[in-house]
Amino acid sequence: DGGITQSPKYLFRKEGQNVTLSCEQNLNHDAMYWYRQDPGQGLRLIYYSQIVNDFQKGDIAEGYSVSREKKESFPLTVTSAQKNPTAFYLCASSHRTGAYGYTFGSGTRLTVV
Amino acid sequence: QKEVEQNSGPLSVPEGAIASLNCTYSDRGSQSFFWYRQYSGKSPELIMSIYSNGDKEDGRFTAQLNKASQYVSLLIRDSQPSDSATYLCAVWDNYGQNFVFGPGTRLSVLP
Repeated sequence: DGGITQSPKYLFRKEGQNVTLSCEQNLNHDAMYWYRQDPGQGLRLIYYSQIVNDFQKGDIAEGYSVSREKKESFPLTVTSAQKNPTAFYLCASSHRTGAYGYTFGSGTRLTVV
Repeated sequence: QKEVEQNSGPLSVPEGAIASLNCTYSDRGSQSFFWYRQYSGKSPELIMSIYSNGDKEDGRFTAQLNKASQYVSLLIRDSQPSDSATYLCAVWDNYGQNFVFGPGTRLSVLP
């Protein structure tokens, strides 16, 4: 079955540590996206990519980095420069025009310990 | 900065009633509108899309779009306790090539 897989489901980060969240899709979607959701808040766009080897900053890119070396994969690194990384991170994919909407992964909950 | 606004709620309705969820958007050129449902601790799931003015029905759900007023709504008929969730309005940004989400409306259906 086609879908989008995020891992891990839960992640704990120590102060000053970089961590990488995985996102893989087998839907043959060109576009992939990373959103952050804080408790009781909406979705805020971190980074997105419309095509392999190209990506754009969203509204809250500072302290995050991404790569898009393969169509199927769009990993997100939360760097030590992100001072408040505790949140629910959602990866999504879609056709480049947004037709049919996003398909979301199940999310990764990141906590700073 | 394109904006999508929703009443944050919570919106409480009795079981069997009609729940009405509203959304306004700032970009007059927007063409694609989606509603997502998100249960607590879970990822959003697509409920409905609408592209043309008027109503679109799918089971107990009806999406309504009025582009002149920049307004889109979601009606849930015969509300069930299982409909209790946060409902997110999403509007496609043609320039940015991504969806802009509203903050969501939390719906509580009381048995």
